[in-house]
Amino acid sequence: ILNVEQSPQSLHVQEGDSTNFTCSFPSSNFYALHWYRWETAKSPEALFVMTLNGDEKKKGRISATLNTKEGYSYLYIKGSQPEDSATYLCALKTSYDKVIFGPGTSLSVIP
Amino acid sequence: GAGVSQSPSNKVTEKGKDVELRCDPISGHTALYWYRQSLGQGLEFLIYFQGNSAPDKSGLPSDRFSAERTGGSVSTLTIQRTQQEDSAVYLCASSLMGRGGGEQYFGPGTRLTVT
Repeated sequence: ILNVEQSPQSLHVQEGDSTNFTCSFPSSNFYALHWYRWETAKSPEALFVMTLNGDEKKKGRISATLNTKEGYSYLYIKGSQPEDSATYLCALKTSYDKVIFGPGTSLSVIP
Repeated sequence: GAGVSQSPSNKVTEKGKDVELRCDPISGHTALYWYRQSLGQGLEFLIYFQGNSAPDKSGLPSDRFSAERTGGSVSTLTIQRTQQEDSAVYLCASSLMGRGGGEQYFGPGTRLTVT
């Protein structure tokens, strides 16, 4: 059974702090890696789609890196704001269409 | 353009009744996924479709759950003889099939409450 892991499970940071979290996956089954942001009472929205080893993606204050050989991806948030509070999900695409979600990292940014 | 839509948005049903949840994916998206989020839990995979076929039904929690997709578009998730533990938000997502990213676009969900 393929397993996607995320750490930490939850995180509380002060406004303005930078933070990062990890997604780990079995490197032998890699097809693509997705990051999603899931705000309370809303649906998950895609942040990044990463397909190549060494990929780095950036959207505003949020960025992500990918290492397919060792099976991990990092998500970074620079200068966290209260509106960044959400659960961040990573999802491993292992084939044409099969996607496995990690359990998520819940981020709370304290004003 | 139109996103993924789901209906109903909320459903309250009595234990033992059958319910049907509907998902309208983005036009042209051939892959369709069903997930659920129980209270305090993460995203639980239920089933996915490539076109009208379901290569992976491994996530369906019991034989009371079934899903179908017709015309490569609309999908319905049916729960028979609902139980209180079926209470959850049921999310549908669609994506473009094929190589490349294929990020999923999620619908607003159906909140199911079994009393």
